[in-house]
Amino acid sequence: DAMVIQNPRYQVTQFGKPVTLSCSQTLNHNVMYWYQQKSSQAPKLLFHYYDKDFNNEADTPDNFQSRRPNTSFCFLDIRSPGLGDAAMYLCATSTDANNEQFFGPGTRLTVL
Amino acid sequence: AQSVTQLDSQVPVFEEAPVELRCNYSSSVSVYLFWYVQYPNQGLQLLLKYLSGSTLVKGINGFEAEFNKSQTSFHLRKPSVHISDTAEYFCAVGRMNTGFQKLVFGTGTRLLVSP
Repeated sequence: DAMVIQNPRYQVTQFGKPVTLSCSQTLNHNVMYWYQQKSSQAPKLLFHYYDKDFNNEADTPDNFQSRRPNTSFCFLDIRSPGLGDAAMYLCATSTDANNEQFFGPGTRLTVL
Repeated sequence: AQSVTQLDSQVPVFEEAPVELRCNYSSSVSVYLFWYVQYPNQGLQLLLKYLSGSTLVKGINGFEAEFNKSQTSFHLRKPSVHISDTAEYFCAVGRMNTGFQKLVFGTGTRLLVSP
């Protein structure tokens, strides 16, 4: 089945220790998104890739970076995680022709 | 800019009872509207969407929603809920005719179905 896969599902890191979250998709969608969702809050868009073009949201901290080496993969790098970065991180994909975003299961990040 | 308001943070309901989850939006342009469901520790799954045409939209799991332009609302309804409907429900809005979607989500409504 075509899908959006996120690894790992649960990630524990230490304060200040860089961490990378992974997203892959078999849908061949050209747009990929990263959202941050804190407990009991709405998903908040961090950035998206339209093909290879990176688009950062204005209020996304510099601590968050992303890489998209090819159509299928997209990574979220947190350079120096703080306690406030503990959250669920959701990856989603879409095409530029349809109106639905397909979400992965998310990675829950814990910062100790 | 668009915004979404989900006034009810939590809605408790008994099994087999009807339910309505409210969503109001604000936008200066025409929009697309979506309802997503999120089960614990999972991603979001699309329930239904309004793009154009009939204002009554039917989705998966027996849910439906009605787009009301004059009241800028897109309330979600189900005539008879099951225990398995217990989840977080998010309403979202996207701009019409902009190709790919950047969605703005509401803060969510937790539906709690009890026996």
